[in-house]
Amino acid sequence: DIQMTQSPSSLSASVGDRVTITCRASQSISSYLNWYQQKPGKAPKLLIYAASSLQSGVPSRFSGSGSGTDFTLTISSLQPEDFATYYCQQSYSTPPVTFGQGTRLEIK
Amino acid sequence: EVQLVESGGGLVQPGGSLRLSCAASGFTFSSYEMNWVRQAPGKGLEWVSYISSSGSTIYYADSVKGRFTISRDNAKNSLYLQMNSLRAEDTAVYYCARDSDHRDGYIYYDAFDIWGQGTMVTVSS
Repeated sequence: DIQMTQSPSSLSASVGDRVTITCRASQSISSYLNWYQQKPGKAPKLLIYAASSLQSGVPSRFSGSGSGTDFTLTISSLQPEDFATYYCQQSYSTPPVTFGQGTRLEIK
Repeated sequence: EVQLVESGGGLVQPGGSLRLSCAASGFTFSSYEMNWVRQAPGKGLEWVSYISSSGSTIYYADSVKGRFTISRDNAKNSLYLQMNSLRAEDTAVYYCARDSDHRDGYIYYDAFDIWGQGTMVTVSS
């Protein structure tokens, strides 16, 4: 199974900050990498698919990059509604689909 | 509105059974692959099971293989998860999620683009 490792596990930032979250795969997954946002008590929401493609309706301050084993999710200017937990997920070698452990983004 | 609504969660004793349902609306359910994903309290996301659009192909996580059964009824726009021999470690919110293909030339990328609100399953005596 492909293991997904996110860093950091938690992060404190302020409104307006530029934030980057990293996801590393245990083997190459090409661009088969998705990012999700989850707020407390809510279902996950798809932000980015295929490593860098923005899901319809997602603000352009979110962007994704990377291929192979190393990927990043960047929020260019944090907004109050962006404080949430973010998960990466690989869809290259399934089953099983695997998720990273999550990165909790908190207000500083 | 494109929507998935889960039901059937609750409190069950270890060794017991439960059947979850996921009702789909606002899209052509029979055209999409579907998944169940769970989240234990305070923990991350764990994929549980997959079913193809026709129901002919099914996969399970090792943690539930032999105990859980995924199925679908395309005539009723519904997805199911039959859970038997439940354990304390199965306690989680269970989400159904639509598996959508995004095409880039000749390559298709899967992603879970629509999720239900989740249903809580608690396994405890």
